[in-house]
Amino acid sequence: AQSVTQLDSQVPVFEEAPVELRCNYSSSVSVYLFWYVQYPNQGLQLLLKYLSGSTLVESINGFEAEFNKSQTSFHLRKPSVHISDTAEYFCAVDGGSQGNLIFGKGTKLSVKP
Amino acid sequence: EAGVVQSPRYKIIEKKQPVAFWCNPISGHNTLYWYRQNLGQGPELLIRYENEEAVDDSQLPKDRFSAERLKGVDSTLKIQPAELGDSAVYLCASSPSFDMNTEAFFGQGTRLTVV
Repeated sequence: AQSVTQLDSQVPVFEEAPVELRCNYSSSVSVYLFWYVQYPNQGLQLLLKYLSGSTLVESINGFEAEFNKSQTSFHLRKPSVHISDTAEYFCAVDGGSQGNLIFGKGTKLSVKP
Repeated sequence: EAGVVQSPRYKIIEKKQPVAFWCNPISGHNTLYWYRQNLGQGPELLIRYENEEAVDDSQLPKDRFSAERLKGVDSTLKIQPAELGDSAVYLCASSPSFDMNTEAFFGQGTRLTVV
C-alpha cells in the first residue's frame, strides 16, 4: 500500500529565506506525486505534480519539487518565500490501480516578516 | 467559473443526531470525491463517483454513512447517527475525469463538530 510521510508538521521561516518542505513516500509501483496547498479559509489547490518525464517540476509561483526515486522523496522548495506563501502544504501520492490520492499529514508553513 | 461549492460551512450537532452535507461540483465534472480530514491529518478518501455510480466506497463506514449523487451532478453525504469521532472537515472535490493528468478541485469543506 502507498503511504506519504511529511516529516515536519510546522516550518517557520522569515520572509525572503529559502524553504524546503520534506515529503517521502512508499510505493511498490510507479507513482504520481502531488503537492497541494491550502491557504487560510480556502480549499485545497493543486500546486504542482509529477507524472512522468523531467524529475524537476515547477509551479507558477516559484515553488519546485524534485522526484527522487532512489530516495523515494518529493521535497518542495522555494529559494525565497513571501508572506503570502503562509499556508498548509500537503504532499500526496497516487500509485498503481487504486488511483486515488493518499495525502500526508501536512506541513504548516509560516512566513514571518 | 464557480468552483466546488459545499454547504454548510460549519455544523454543530449532538451525538446520535443525523447530519447531511451537500456538494455542487464544477459543471461538467464527471468525477466527484468525498474526503474526510481529521484534525492534524491529511484528507482521506471516503467515496468516489464516476457520474452517478459509486466506483470506490471501500473506505466509507457503511453502518452509519451514506452518499448519493443523483443525476450525476450534486452529491450529498449523510451520517446517521453521528458519533463524537465523526468530528472532522468533510471535503468534496471534482475533476473532469478519473485521470491523473486532470486536476481535482476541492471545495472549502464542511467542518462538523459532534458534541
